[in-house]
Amino acid sequence: GQQVMQIPQYQHVQEGEDFTTYCNSSTTLSNIQWYKQRPGGHPVFLIQLVKSGEVKKQKRLTFQFGEAKKNSSLHITATQTTDVGTYFCAVYTGANSKLTFGKGITLSVRP
Amino acid sequence: DAGVIQSPRHEVTEMGQEVTLRCKPISGHNSLFWYRQTMMRGLELLIYFNNNVPIDDSGMPEDRFSAKMPNASFSTLKIQPSEPRDSAVYFCASSFWGGGSRSYEQYFGPGTRLTVT
Repeated sequence: GQQVMQIPQYQHVQEGEDFTTYCNSSTTLSNIQWYKQRPGGHPVFLIQLVKSGEVKKQKRLTFQFGEAKKNSSLHITATQTTDVGTYFCAVYTGANSKLTFGKGITLSVRP
Repeated sequence: DAGVIQSPRHEVTEMGQEVTLRCKPISGHNSLFWYRQTMMRGLELLIYFNNNVPIDDSGMPEDRFSAKMPNASFSTLKIQPSEPRDSAVYFCASSFWGGGSRSYEQYFGPGTRLTVT
């Protein structure tokens, strides 16, 4: 089945630094979603990207869909301790309502 | 809206016992998903339903696991008999699916933390 890769699984940054992570697929994606899970919490939907090259912003978070629709990036400007958590990308497989989630990247922020 | 409701939030049981996890999806959603999350294996999809019908249960680990959705507002995940390796956080999620190629966001419940001793 369709898979998406998120590497690395962990990243540590100093508060105030920028952070970028990627979600990669070997096949063309119809769309991609991003979720955030705080420590001890549950995944929460952040954004959905559909169009090639699409860019969406949520405050300090910028999401981009690759031109070839095979990858996506999440960029956080000036990280804060509130950004800690695991960020998952998820893709629609085209089979009914199923989403396939990546392994996620866990971000820690040193104050 | 109260969001997706799961119960119990925590369950501690002994090996061999039956465990039943419950989920109430968001009203109006017609897709329901059961996930399991562990440190080792990450977030795994166990089974999902569309319009109360199981669509794909290929993620169910083995016959000890079963799931039902008797109506649009309730689903259960049962483990019988439970084993220590079943210890994990189990999430239920729901979404609306219009039947086309567009996907919709999933709303996750708070999860049930299961510990099997």
